[in-house]
Amino acid sequence: QVQLEQSGPGLMKPSQTLSLTCAISGDSVSSNSVAWNWIRQSPSRGLEWLGRTYYRSKWLNDYALSVESRITINPDTSKNEFSLQLNSVTPEDTAVYYCARDPGYCYSCLDVWGQGTTVTVSS
Amino acid sequence: ENVVTQSPGTLSLSPGERATLSCTASQIVHSGHLGWYQHKPGQAPRLLIYGASNRAIGTPDRFIGSGSGTDFTLTINRLEPEDFAVYYCQQYDMSSRLTFGPGTKVEI
Repeated sequence: QVQLEQSGPGLMKPSQTLSLTCAISGDSVSSNSVAWNWIRQSPSRGLEWLGRTYYRSKWLNDYALSVESRITINPDTSKNEFSLQLNSVTPEDTAVYYCARDPGYCYSCLDVWGQGTTVTVSS
Repeated sequence: ENVVTQSPGTLSLSPGERATLSCTASQIVHSGHLGWYQHKPGQAPRLLIYGASNRAIGTPDRFIGSGSGTDFTLTINRLEPEDFAVYYCQQYDMSSRLTFGPGTKVEI
């Protein structure tokens, strides 16, 4: 059974860098058919896909246009986890952040989700 | 970017009734890469439907996904009390990006 466990701080100040980690059990971050995603949810914007990392003979990333200039998603094969970094946060980045798996066989669906991390950006 | 819209924004129904939720994309959705998710407060979203019409493991058969191209529908037959939630559609486009619709709230 695949499980995703998120960790990271919940309170931040404007201009800081948001860093979250998603630990994987029951699957491998290096699987060549799976993609590992970050999504956030806020009352004003609903669900917003942020980006993903995946291995296809080499590591690849795709990012949402809305955050492309500020986001980095990296795998850590030694710990079997992946991380999200979002630079220069503002109060508009206040949201619940989720990691999720695209298993590769279901037309880019997201079948397993982390528990969610509430991130508040406030001075 | 493929923009996704959903209608209606809110659907007010009673248990036992049928819910019909619509999802429209501004461009053709790549090879049926369309999913539906159920989201309840305090929980992670739950995958219900993938590939436009395939039920995920554990999805009751009262949930039916249909559609192709740019227009998709989620039908919930005989609403159960646990079905009252927000429903999102999600597509994957040729630029390798995923986008979610704004959601439809199904309320009593």
